[in-house]
Amino acid sequence: EVQLLESGGGLVQPGGSLRLSCAASGFTSSPYAMSWVRQAPGKGLEWISTISGSGSGTYYADSVKGRFTISRDNSRNTLYLQMNNLRAEDTALYYCAKGYDSGSYFRLFDNWGQGTLVTVSS
Amino acid sequence: EIVLTQSPGTLSLSPGERATLSCRASQSVSSTFLAWYQQKPGQAPRLLIYVASSRATGIPDRFSGSGSGTDFTLTISRLEPEDFAVYYCQQYGSSPPTFGQGTKVEIK
Repeated sequence: EVQLLESGGGLVQPGGSLRLSCAASGFTSSPYAMSWVRQAPGKGLEWISTISGSGSGTYYADSVKGRFTISRDNSRNTLYLQMNNLRAEDTALYYCAKGYDSGSYFRLFDNWGQGTLVTVSS
Repeated sequence: EIVLTQSPGTLSLSPGERATLSCRASQSVSSTFLAWYQQKPGQAPRLLIYVASSRATGIPDRFSGSGSGTDFTLTISRLEPEDFAVYYCQQYGSSPPTFGQGTKVEIK
């Protein structure tokens, strides 16, 4: 059974940093693109970043480009999101999501973690 | 960026009734790369439908999707109590991938 477990969320001041992790189990993650999708309290879903299976390709939403960095360690089956210069509008539940495959469907999300909450406030 | 607009915002129905949810795109969705997700309170989204009409693994056949181009529909043929939730459409054919704002299906 595919499982994705996020961690690393918490309360941080504006301008601060956090590093999120997503531990994958039940499958070998290296063939699959992995993504982060966030959901502000009471709001809808927003894609923010994707990394290819090998890690060589990274993609970002304009809202986080230059501030967030996605990475992965396939030897540990773990996905990361380094978040710098955080803003109040980054407050959200951050989900890790598995891509359906490594081809055309890499930004179709067939498995999701339960999310980790990031709150940016002074 | 493709903007997805879902309607209605809220659908109030009774168990056993048919639900029809709409998702309209601001431009044509490439290769019908359109998906539907279900989200219940306190839970992560769950993939229901992909390429507009294919059911994901384990999804009951009361869920069906249709459409192409800019107009897509999710139909729940007979609502079960566990189907009351928020539904999101997503396009994944163009960058960036985008979601609709959601349709809440609530018990009447």
